[in-house]
Amino acid sequence: KQEVTQIPAALSVPEGENLVLNCSFTDSAIYNLQWFRQDPGKGLTSLLLIQSSQREQTSGRLNASLDKSSGRSTLYIAASQPGDSATYLCAVPGGGGFQKLVFGTGTRLLVSP
Amino acid sequence: EAQVTQNPRYLITVTGKKLTVTCSQNMNHEYMSWYRQDPGLGLRQIYYSMNVEVTDKGDVPEGYKVSRKEKRNFPLILESPSPNQTSLYFCASNAGAGEQYFGPGTRLTVT
Repeated sequence: KQEVTQIPAALSVPEGENLVLNCSFTDSAIYNLQWFRQDPGKGLTSLLLIQSSQREQTSGRLNASLDKSSGRSTLYIAASQPGDSATYLCAVPGGGGFQKLVFGTGTRLLVSP
Repeated sequence: EAQVTQNPRYLITVTGKKLTVTCSQNMNHEYMSWYRQDPGLGLRQIYYSMNVEVTDKGDVPEGYKVSRKEKRNFPLILESPSPNQTSLYFCASNAGAGEQYFGPGTRLTVT
């Protein structure tokens, strides 16, 4: 059974810092990995999707890497801003197909001005 | 614009009063799912559908029903809601290995 863990659970940084969020998964036989952002009480916004054949994806100040063999992904946020404050979730397909996502527990990020 | 819509966004109801939360996607995706999100428990899948008339249970299906009569719609039905179904609900859709799109969420309170 796929399990996804995110470290740290919470992170507080001053504006301008570069930071790394970690995601680990137990079953390396994944098709892809997706990073989401969720503001309090709001929906999930997709940030990046990395296919299993890819090592990394970039979007603006965000860079996500994937190491299937070690069961790890990292989300790198450059030059953090207060508007980046949110909970960040990683997720991988579970159940042997595309019908389900298994989510990590999330990292709650606070960026102070 | 590619999107998943849900209605209603907020709902307060009483125990036992049947309700339906609608979900619709405009991307012609085969896969659709319902999740609930609870503090400390994260996101858990309720039901999923792999295509029209093909549905199956997720991790927490008790107390819920779904149907998929059209490809774009995947309503979630609570026949007799109970307080333990108070939660934030999300509908999602995807096309195989592609990106999963989530709706804006429905906050349900059952008193």
